[in-house]
Amino acid sequence: ETGVTQTPRHLVMGMTNKKSLKCEQHLGHNAMYWYKQSAKKPLELMFVYSLEERVENNSVPSRFSPECPNSSHLFLHLHTLQPEDSALYLCASSQDTPGGTEAFFGQGTRLTVV
Amino acid sequence: EDQVTQSPEALRLQEGESSSLNCSYTVSGLRGLFWYRQDPGKGPEFLFTLYSAGEEKEKERLKATLTKKESFLHITAPKPEDSATYLCAVSYMDSNYQLIWGAGTKLIIKP
Repeated sequence: ETGVTQTPRHLVMGMTNKKSLKCEQHLGHNAMYWYKQSAKKPLELMFVYSLEERVENNSVPSRFSPECPNSSHLFLHLHTLQPEDSALYLCASSQDTPGGTEAFFGQGTRLTVV
Repeated sequence: EDQVTQSPEALRLQEGESSSLNCSYTVSGLRGLFWYRQDPGKGPEFLFTLYSAGEEKEKERLKATLTKKESFLHITAPKPEDSATYLCAVSYMDSNYQLIWGAGTKLIIKP
């Protein structure tokens, strides 16, 4: 399998639930990202990992917790979310950190918080 | 303030009717400008990277150009399968790993 794979594709969770999003990249890239995409708004960068170390946390609420166990895998742990957290969550990877090389995205997880 | 603005917000064309999408930016020290295509319910798909004013890149019916203030995505004789949202993003010298994204242009090509 090639590219960036995200699971699950769709997720409905209650505000008291705990769930995790998974991302796997098969491109041999060194950097991985979590983005949030809401309707009619620009992509919002949430977290950046470079060589498994977090290098950017864009003032994201603590109810979102990332984990990068190795350069191929990235998780986003979710707990006590709010309805306004409903959005498309996208994982991406790039050969290097942004600025010089393009990022490749997964298909996203459509999250609905009820 | 550093920002990226895409226009128009939406564009409806007849099949075969050529047009252009605009991405204007106000950043200092551009490092790269990226164009992506996004289909409904899917992640963005990379199209082009442009690094300096005057640069052009082509792929099938798409051609991207770059000036010091803006980029255009020209679509020649589009087909219905070109319908998608087109996103641009900018990286600049003090961006600290971040890209600034535009809100996108939704392109609809009618047969």
